[in-house]
Amino acid sequence: GEEVAQTPKHLVRGEGQKAKLYCAPIKGHSYVFWYQQVLKNEFKFLISFQNENVFDETGMPKERFSAKCLPNSPCSLEIQATKLEDSAVYFCASSQGGIGIQYFGAGTRLSVL
Amino acid sequence: GIQVEQSPPDLILQEGANSTLRCNFSDSVNNLQWFHQNPWGQLINLFYIPSGTKQNGRLSATTVATERYSLLYISSSQTTDSGVYFCADFNDYKLSFGAGTTVTVRA
Repeated sequence: GEEVAQTPKHLVRGEGQKAKLYCAPIKGHSYVFWYQQVLKNEFKFLISFQNENVFDETGMPKERFSAKCLPNSPCSLEIQATKLEDSAVYFCASSQGGIGIQYFGAGTRLSVL
Repeated sequence: GIQVEQSPPDLILQEGANSTLRCNFSDSVNNLQWFHQNPWGQLINLFYIPSGTKQNGRLSATTVATERYSLLYISSSQTTDSGVYFCADFNDYKLSFGAGTTVTVRA
């Protein structure tokens, strides 16, 4: 597609429940990035992929967060046993090469109650 | 990682006014992007500007990589310019964002 497509737009989970977010990058883009926006203005990098391979996962809280990019499927970000502090907007971005313009999806707002 | 400082944190403008937003970086600038996050939360690409000056309608941006800063100019502001403006630099294989400038344009 011509834009980064993220689903769902909103997700509400009770504390301890699982949350799964999806991202379809722009067609032809090899790199996918996940960012978490908390407190309205603070962005935190989570993980990046080059095609289906993890490129950089230094931002991932590994005990509860996992992510995948499989061929012919949207990428996914999964949070096991959500906590209140996971409430945030999760953005996915894609780029053609590792360096260059990143195009962002509309985000998924996760509310953990 | 690189530290990104944006100023001012908040800006209130009367419709038609001009303004300048600034980003300072703690390290050399590699691949700088400016974004506008509208009131609905959407992040819109404004400029990809590693160096030099670019213009797009009423907006223009200048990056002086050697002096580690970038400026975003908004001319003849309109209410639709309201939102949060972010700069981000691609450094260490990820975008590092500033804290944003919240712009409110009043009719």
